Amino acid sequence: RKEVEQDPGPFNVPEGATVAFNCTYSNSASQSFFWYRQDCRKEPKLLMSVYSSGNEDGRFTAQLNRASQYISLLIRDSKLSDSATYLCVVNTGGFKTIFGAGTRLFVKA
Amino acid sequence: DADVTQTPRNRITKTGKRIMLECSQTKGHDRMYWYRQDPGLGLQLIYYSFDVKDINKGEISDGYSVSRQAQAKFSLSLESAIPNQTALYFCATSDPRKGYNEQFFGPGTRLTVL
Repeated sequence: RKEVEQDPGPFNVPEGATVAFNCTYSNSASQSFFWYRQDCRKEPKLLMSVYSSGNEDGRFTAQLNRASQYISLLIRDSKLSDSATYLCVVNTGGFKTIFGAGTRLFVKA
Repeated sequence: DADVTQTPRNRITKTGKRIMLECSQTKGHDRMYWYRQDPGLGLQLIYYSFDVKDINKGEISDGYSVSRQAQAKFSLSLESAIPNQTALYFCATSDPRKGYNEQFFGPGTRLTVL
């Protein structure tokens, strides 16, 4: 079993749609959680951190469920520019950061 | 703007050749990392360095070596390249002001081994 698992997609949604991604992690001792965005052939960039209380940044909402060991990312009112791969990232302490393989999103006009 | 740069951006080489990928950063971060990315897989950690005198193997270090020449420079070498080392390679740094959790990536080096 992979330490961090994501649905690879792709998710194909129309502009304006709401889309949600889930990610599960296997290490119950994991300490911090993130979503990164990666555009095609580009480097990953931090989208947002995920806090136990959940957090929101504009159209993006991230949530953490420690009991079930999953995190989620919700994107509301999708834009064409949201098309990218979204990486779930889990830090288990110190240097050990595990990247999921990513979920691909295509937003179409 | 403080940045992470990688050279070369693209490289095609032949099996058995030695190749070096270079990474430089102007962020002033002490931690640096080398990852490879293959289609359908997450980023895999090759080596990481906490400072100039501290270098550690990651999960897939076989076939690779590194050198931390200065705080700002971290090089990855493939002593004898093989085709399954064809991948996208990223260098990254950590921000000490954020508990080392956020990583900042260079633009990547696309390596093809024939």
